This record gives sequence, C-alpha cells and structure tokens, in this order.
Amino acid sequence: NAGVTQTPKFRVLKTGQSMTLLCAQDMNHEYMYWYRQDPGMGLRLIHYSVGEGTTAKGEVPDGYNVSRLKKQNFLLGLESAAPSQTSVYFCASHRLGMNQPQHFGDGTRLSIL
Amino acid sequence: SQQGEEDPQALSIQEGENATMNCSYKTSINNLQWYRQNSGRGLVHLILIRSNEREKHSGRLRVTLDTSKKSSSLLITASRAADTASYFCATAQYDSWGKFQFGAGTQVVVTP
Repeated sequence: NAGVTQTPKFRVLKTGQSMTLLCAQDMNHEYMYWYRQDPGMGLRLIHYSVGEGTTAKGEVPDGYNVSRLKKQNFLLGLESAAPSQTSVYFCASHRLGMNQPQHFGDGTRLSIL
Repeated sequence: SQQGEEDPQALSIQEGENATMNCSYKTSINNLQWYRQNSGRGLVHLILIRSNEREKHSGRLRVTLDTSKKSSSLLITASRAADTASYFCATAQYDSWGKFQFGAGTQVVVTP
C-alpha cells in the first residue's frame, strides 16, 4: 500500500495563478485533511472532509477550496495564488472513529512568487 | 490560536540520554496524539492517549497525560541519533470533532 500520496511534490507559481493539489489515499479512510505548515507555527488546518461528497472549513480556509468527489481523493485548490500561500501543504487521512491516528503524506512544497 | 503548545522549542542531547518534551493545551480534549517529523517528510504517528488514560508506553516512548493541568509529556528513553526530528502534539476536542489542533513542535537533535 502506498498510504497517502500527494501530487505534486514541488511547485512554483506566480501571483494570481491557480493550481490544484491532489491527495490520494488507498486505505479506505473516511476522514481526510489538508494542513499547511509554516516555520514556527506547526500545522494549521485548512479544510477537512468526513466522507465522500462532504467538506468543512478548518482554521485557515480563506483563499482555498476543496472537493471530495471520490472517497480516496481530496483536492485542494488555489484559485488566485498569493505570496502568503507559500508554504508546505500536508494531506492526512484516518479511519472512522474518534481515536484514530492520522496518516500523512510527504507534503507539497509550494512557492508563490 | 494553537491548542497545543510544546515546550521546549528545541532540545539538544547526546545519544543514550533521555529526552522529555511537554505539551499544554487549553480546552477539554477527547485524546492527545504525538507525532514525529523527520526533515522534509510528513508526520508519523507515535502514540495516542485518551482523555481517561494517564500513561501509555510504546517501546522507548512514554507518554503521560494530566487532564487537571491540561498537559502531556513525551519521554524518549536512551535516545539514538535516529530520534533526531521534530515532535508535535495534536489534540482532538469533543465539541469540534475533525478539527485536530497541532502545536508548533519541539525540535530534538541527538548527537552521537
């Protein structure tokens, strides 16, 4: 099993461009998450999903949109990239239940010029 | 605002020594989890402790939870160079399920 796979691993964008980050998990997990990690700030939750077809806002959702059309995929979109969105983005997933560990991908390093 | 706050921010020790880091949080939790992150990689789950548990062990790891003080500690015994990483605590709250909150992490360096 590959676990959680994020695509792409690196990307450089210009301000105003749009792009989509893809997260795929092969563990049949119900819950999926998108976080951003900035130096000295730990991980901040952007959006999350508790099942196929459902999404919800996290702590820092502005400027991002998400979709979960298939259970195994969770897409994060930047409609008009801004330099403040330069960050490392992590996707995570876990099984249904309150006491389940999260499984993380290796991240997407995104730079907005 | 961050729910979990780790202390210290950085820790440098020699192989064989123990490493202790602490996590404090603000609101009632369902569980608290510890993760490790190696440079350039994603987070890896280490251990989960539920709110009704006080201590858990996993190999060289020992986690304690004091809900009255809203704090947790992670002890790594007999540290190895391979333990060099950042360690994060994450909390799950009863009233905001799905919204895990992570602290800023403790950066641990273990020198041979």
